[in-house]
Amino acid sequence: DIQMTQSPSSLSASVGDRVTLTCRANQGISKNLAWFQLKPGKAPKPLIYAASSLQSGVPSRFSGNGSRTDFTLTINSLQPEDFATYYCQQYDSRPFTFGPGSKLDIK
Amino acid sequence: QVQLVQSGAEVKKPGASVRVSCKTSGYTFSNYYIHWVRQAPGQGLEWMGIINPSGGYTDYAQKFRGRVAMTRDTSTATVYMELSSLISEDTAVYYCAREMTQGSGWSTVGNWGQGTLVTVSS
Repeated sequence: DIQMTQSPSSLSASVGDRVTLTCRANQGISKNLAWFQLKPGKAPKPLIYAASSLQSGVPSRFSGNGSRTDFTLTINSLQPEDFATYYCQQYDSRPFTFGPGSKLDIK
Repeated sequence: QVQLVQSGAEVKKPGASVRVSCKTSGYTFSNYYIHWVRQAPGQGLEWMGIINPSGGYTDYAQKFRGRVAMTRDTSTATVYMELSSLISEDTAVYYCAREMTQGSGWSTVGNWGQGTLVTVSS
């Protein structure tokens, strides 16, 4: 199975900040990587697919980058609704494993 | 619009089985694989497996093989996930989700069900 790691595991930031979350795969996955936002009591919200393509309806302050083993999710000008937990998932090889998540909370 | 509506919360005893349904609408049912993902309390997301509604092909994560069965009913556009020999660690919210790329089986998911809480407790 492909192992996914994320850093940081948690992060405190302020409204208006720019944050970058990192996701790493233990083997190359091309650009077969997605990012999801998860809030308590809600279904995961897809943000990014194919490493850098924005899902429909997702604000442009979200962006993704990377390929093979190293990926980033950047959120420009944090908004109050962005405080959540973020997960990456590879879909290059089954099982389609998720990272352990990065929790973003308000400073 | 695409919708995935899951069945309601369940409480089960250890050793029992649970079946969660995922009724789909707004698209051609047989054209898109359905994934199942779960989240235990305080834990991350865990991919369980996938089913092709056209023909019923399945692929399960090794952790769940022998205990999980994903099936579909094409007449009602519904997918089912049954998990047997339940233990307390199976307490989680279970989600179905539809793949983004039609007929791929190798794409990420775009649309999610609302989730079904399964509680395993004696």
